[in-house]
Amino acid sequence: QKEVEQDPGPLSVPEGAIVSLNCTYSNSAFQYFMWYRQYSRKGPELLMYTYSSGNKEDGRFTAQVDKSSKYISLFIRDSQPSDSATYLCAMSPRRGSNYKLTFGKGTLLTVNP
Amino acid sequence: GAVVSQHPSRVICKSGTSVKIECRSLDFQATTMFWYRQFPKQSLMLMATSNEGSKATYEQGVEKDKFLINHASLTLSTLTVTSAHPEDSSFYICSASEAMGSEQYFGPGTRLTVT
Repeated sequence: QKEVEQDPGPLSVPEGAIVSLNCTYSNSAFQYFMWYRQYSRKGPELLMYTYSSGNKEDGRFTAQVDKSSKYISLFIRDSQPSDSATYLCAMSPRRGSNYKLTFGKGTLLTVNP
Repeated sequence: GAVVSQHPSRVICKSGTSVKIECRSLDFQATTMFWYRQFPKQSLMLMATSNEGSKATYEQGVEKDKFLINHASLTLSTLTVTSAHPEDSSFYICSASEAMGSEQYFGPGTRLTVT
């Protein structure tokens, strides 16, 4: 079993839809959870991070962590064509440069106008 | 703020030659830099971690003599792929971190094609 599992999609939705992206993980030591957005042929860009369980909201984006289920989610409300990208989840035991990140494979999202 | 650049963005080289990729932190001093490789439709795989002024720490299975990493200053790290082979063709991405407890900021990546 891989440490981090993420459905690669592709996921195609109409503009304005609510998008749900998910990852599961097996390492109970993970406590720091991140979502990155990666446009084609570009490096990943940090969207949101959460520490331990709970929800975090930033504009149209909401990140959720359920440590009991080892399941994290990213919700995108009122999705826009500019949200079309690959979304990668990443996690580590602690925050900081001395702890390496473990990434999911990424989910390719297309928002159709 | 927190901008990381990579050069070149794309490179094509012949099998057996060496290629150097640069990673620069433009507006902060990066005490730690990371090098990743990403194959199509695959996740980012960490290759090595380097701290300024010290030898890089390579992940298991990554050949340190093939992938030479130098982190000579707080704003520059280089990855040299030596004696490149077609199977080394990939997207190489660096990231940089300012200090312990801070985020990793990613560069735009370098597409390497070995013919």
